[in-house]
Amino acid sequence: AQSVAQPEDQVNVAEGNPLTVKCTYSVSGNPYLFWYVQYPNRGLQFLLKYITGDNLVKGSYGFEAEFNKSQTSFHLKKPSALVSDSALYFCAVRDPNSGNTPLVFGKGTRLSVIA
Amino acid sequence: EPEVTQTPSHQVTQMGQEVILRCVPISNHLYFYWYRQILGQKVEFLVSFYNNEISEKSEIFDDQFSVERPDGSNFTLKIRSTKLEDSAMYFCASLAGGKPPLHFGNGTRLTVT
Repeated sequence: AQSVAQPEDQVNVAEGNPLTVKCTYSVSGNPYLFWYVQYPNRGLQFLLKYITGDNLVKGSYGFEAEFNKSQTSFHLKKPSALVSDSALYFCAVRDPNSGNTPLVFGKGTRLSVIA
Repeated sequence: EPEVTQTPSHQVTQMGQEVILRCVPISNHLYFYWYRQILGQKVEFLVSFYNNEISEKSEIFDDQFSVERPDGSNFTLKIRSTKLEDSAMYFCASLAGGKPPLHFGNGTRLTVT
């Protein structure tokens, strides 16, 4: 069965500093990996995905993530955090070789960027 | 950019009542999903729907839940007899021809009193 772990409930970072939100996954085959962001009282907004190809993927709002197969990780990064990046971030995984299995989400990490 | 839209944004109901949550997926999408998020907790899969039938459902999606695509545009989630623990944010999502990512609506906050 596929699963996602986000080991940090909360990440605090000062504005202008680099940020990292951690994610590790478990699937039987090669994963499809995603990051979504949720602002207060809003839905889940897609940030970026890894399907195949370059391990470093770039997404919306200056975010990027690196797929590391040996460490089964897909950490979200941004070189310089903004206060407006403060939100709840979800990592998600899908095993494309398991039929129409649904996207499985991590429990989320709350990012707080302090001015 | 096309969006998934959900109505209402907030629904309050009494325990034991039936509720219907409505979603209009993106028009050319073929796969449809319902997820829920209990306040402050993880996003949980409920059900997926393709070709006018359920393709997968979780253990949360018991006999009290049903889904329907009545008219080719709307995708509804019905809870037959709500319980207090059904209080959550319910998200609809759709997918184009199996190609990720999932596109989510803004959710319906269901409060059962």
